[in-house]
Amino acid sequence: KAGVTQTPRYLIKTRGQQVTLSCSPISGHRSVSWYQQTPGQGLQFLFEYFSETQRNKGNFPGRFSGRQFSNSRSEMNVSTLELGDSALYLCASSLRQTGDEKLFFGSGTQLSVL
Amino acid sequence: KQEVTQIPAALSVPEGENLVLNCSFTDSAIYNLQWFRQDPGKGLTSLLLIQSSQREQTSGRLNASLDKSSGRSTLYIAASQPGDSATYLCAVLSGGSYIPTFGRGTSLIVHP
Repeated sequence: KAGVTQTPRYLIKTRGQQVTLSCSPISGHRSVSWYQQTPGQGLQFLFEYFSETQRNKGNFPGRFSGRQFSNSRSEMNVSTLELGDSALYLCASSLRQTGDEKLFFGSGTQLSVL
Repeated sequence: KQEVTQIPAALSVPEGENLVLNCSFTDSAIYNLQWFRQDPGKGLTSLLLIQSSQREQTSGRLNASLDKSSGRSTLYIAASQPGDSATYLCAVLSGGSYIPTFGRGTSLIVHP
């Protein structure tokens, strides 16, 4: 069974640009959540999608957005990139994201903003 | 608001030692606690998941315990090996929205 797949693995962008990251969950998983990881802040929750609906959202500005498709694949978009957006972006999937399930993570997308 | 703390932040030990990593949380009303391993620049690999009703979980050389009343979990690694070198994170799931709160991790180096 294939794991969580994130593309691309690395990205280099300049300030002001926008970027789209992709996440394909484990087959059958309907919940996809996104996280930002930086040395200074650790792992922070961005948002979670379930059955194409955003179910939860973290404390990030509106420049960060996402969506989920009918096949459960998810994308996140960051517009008007800032230097501080440089981070490892991780997505995780689970069946339904209830209180009794493991989270399975992808390898992440390393975003560098110059 | 749930807060998760991991101590120590870094640990360096010789091969073969038994280790204990600590994770503490402020709100004991949790659904579960999950331990992860992260290699540099990579994603998180799930090690053990402990439900709120459980006291411990074991997988191979790993044993995780949970004491909700004291807000603590420990990850015990037996007979450490250089391949165990990584950052270990704990994540607590609590609150009605099922959003996990992560600790900052313990960076472990096991030297031959």
